[in-house]
Amino acid sequence: GAVVSQHPSRVICKSGTSVKIECRSLDFQATTMFWYRQFPKKSLMLMATSNEGSKATYEQGVEKDKFLINHASLTLSTLTVTSAHPEDSSFYICSAPDPTNYGYTFGSGTRLTVV
Amino acid sequence: GENVEQHPSTLSVQEGDSAVIKCTYSDSASNYFPWYKQELGKRPQLIIDIRSNVGEKKDQRIAVTLNKTAKHFSLHITETQPEDSAVYFCAASTQGSSNYKLTFGKGTLLTVNP
Repeated sequence: GAVVSQHPSRVICKSGTSVKIECRSLDFQATTMFWYRQFPKKSLMLMATSNEGSKATYEQGVEKDKFLINHASLTLSTLTVTSAHPEDSSFYICSAPDPTNYGYTFGSGTRLTVV
Repeated sequence: GENVEQHPSTLSVQEGDSAVIKCTYSDSASNYFPWYKQELGKRPQLIIDIRSNVGEKKDQRIAVTLNKTAKHFSLHITETQPEDSAVYFCAASTQGSSNYKLTFGKGTLLTVNP
């Protein structure tokens, strides 16, 4: 299947700072990237859908000014958590439609801890 | 939007027994139903999926059934092994539409006791 590379895998940042998470499609062009957040022992909740060359679509209740998504190329989508607070600590994971099997491929996830 | 309900939230079985996890969905347009296994801190791993043009699919010890009329689908694991212990998620999406995001169930923590 297609591969999405996500970095960093873990990050610890101070309250008030911003953190950028990158997802790159390695062997295919990802025109769409889905961004999920997962709290401990909870399910994956879709935050937003990014489309190359256009504005991201955010799910209800997700602050677009806080979670900035950029999808400037067919192989790179980024999520920036701005002015991070401890309650933003979570597991963030990206996913793209997999053109090899018409399913979805997931990044390896980013564990964000805000102290 | 789509709503996926998953039961049970926890399931404990003895090694060798079968495990069944059930999901229902709300959007009749949904046509793709994957099941994922997720270990702590890792990405979800696809274990089996089914599309709405079939009613059952099997892969060795794992099978999935789909009832489109009732809008529910189930995961069946036979001859369970301790390494099957993990969190399992069902999901649904409408592929071929402009909005083909995956909606996940809340997950089932499966524990297989040796």
